[in-house]
This record gives sequence, C-alpha cells and structure tokens, in this order.
Amino acid sequence: AQSVSQHNHHVILSEAASLELGCNYSYGGTVNLFWYVQYPGQHLQLLLKYFSGDPLVKGIKGFEAEFIKSKFSFNLRKPSVQWSDTAEYFCAVNARDSSASKIIFGSGTRLSIRP
Amino acid sequence: SQTIHQWPATLVQPVGSPLSLECTVEGTSNPNLYWYRQAAGRGLQLLFYSVGIGQISSEVPQNLSASRPQDRQFILSSKKLLLSDSGFYLCAWEQGAADTQYFGPGTRLTVL
Repeated sequence: AQSVSQHNHHVILSEAASLELGCNYSYGGTVNLFWYVQYPGQHLQLLLKYFSGDPLVKGIKGFEAEFIKSKFSFNLRKPSVQWSDTAEYFCAVNARDSSASKIIFGSGTRLSIRP
Repeated sequence: SQTIHQWPATLVQPVGSPLSLECTVEGTSNPNLYWYRQAAGRGLQLLFYSVGIGQISSEVPQNLSASRPQDRQFILSSKKLLLSDSGFYLCAWEQGAADTQYFGPGTRLTVL
C-alpha cells in the first residue's frame, strides 16, 4: 500500500530563512507527486507537481521541489520565506485507479513564520 | 474558469441526526469527483470518488454514503451521525486524466 510521510509536524522560521520540508513516499511503481498548500481560511490549493521529466520542479510563490527517485523523496524548498508563507503544507502521491486518480496525502506540516 | 462550491460551510449536528453535504462544480463537464475528510494532524483521508453519474466507489467502510445525482453534483450523506463523524470535509474535482485535483472550501462538521 502507498503511504506518504511528512517528518515535520510544525516548523517555525523567521522571515528570510531558508525552508526545506521533507516528504518521503512508499510505492513500487511510477508516481505523480504533489505539494498542496492551505493558507489560513482558504482552499487547499496546488503549489507544484511532478509527473515526469526534470526532477526539479518550480511552483508558485518561489517554491520548488526535487524528486529523488533513489530516496523516494520529494522535498519542498524555498530559499527565503515570507510571513505570508504561513500555512499548512501537504505532500501527496498519486495512485491511478482505472479511471480516477486516488491521491494519498501526508499528514501535513504546519509552517509558522515569525515577522 | 472552473469553480467548486460546498455547503454548508459549518454545521453542528446532534448524534443520531441525518447529514447531507453538497458539492457542485461549475465550468467543466464529466469531472471525477472526490470526498475527503481532513482530521487535525492526520492529513486527508479519501472517503469516496465518482467517475460519472450514479458511479460511486467507497474507500473506507464507515457511517457515510455518497451519491452523484447529476454530472457536477456530489453529495455526502449519513442516516445517523456518530461523534466520530466530526471533521472537516473536502470535495475535490479532477478533469479526466489530468491527475491534478482541485479542492472546494470545505465543510466543518461538529457532531455533539
């Protein structure tokens, strides 16, 4: 069975600090990988995704993630965080059923940025 | 552009009462539709998905059911709520093989 692990439950950083949120998954086949973000009071929205090709993918708001197949990892990074990055971040892996995609989510990482 | 609506936004219900949460999608046709439950510190758990009208797949045995009476309408129901049904319920849609799901604003359900 697939699973997704996010190692950090709550991360607290100061503005301008660098960010890396860990995500590891377990699955024996080809994967699609996602990072979703949920800002306070807002919808869960897609931050970035990896389907194939360049393992370093860039998303919105200066975020990027690197797929390392040998490590089963898809860590999220941002070189300099802002107070507005305060949110909850979810890593997810796609499991394709016959005609629908079933995404398995990690438990989430709450990011708090001190101004 | 596509939009997804959920209502109500919040709901407080007594144990044993029925439940009906509604999700509708605009601006697309024949989407795949999903119901998730989000529990604090536990991520999102897939409850049901549907690839077409009247087609429902259940992921987790539970006190809930789902229906899709129209192409862009997805309903989550229960005949008798339990305390353990409390949570944040999210609806999502996906356009065919796009593999990217888009989420609604969610419904916060509290069962007392």
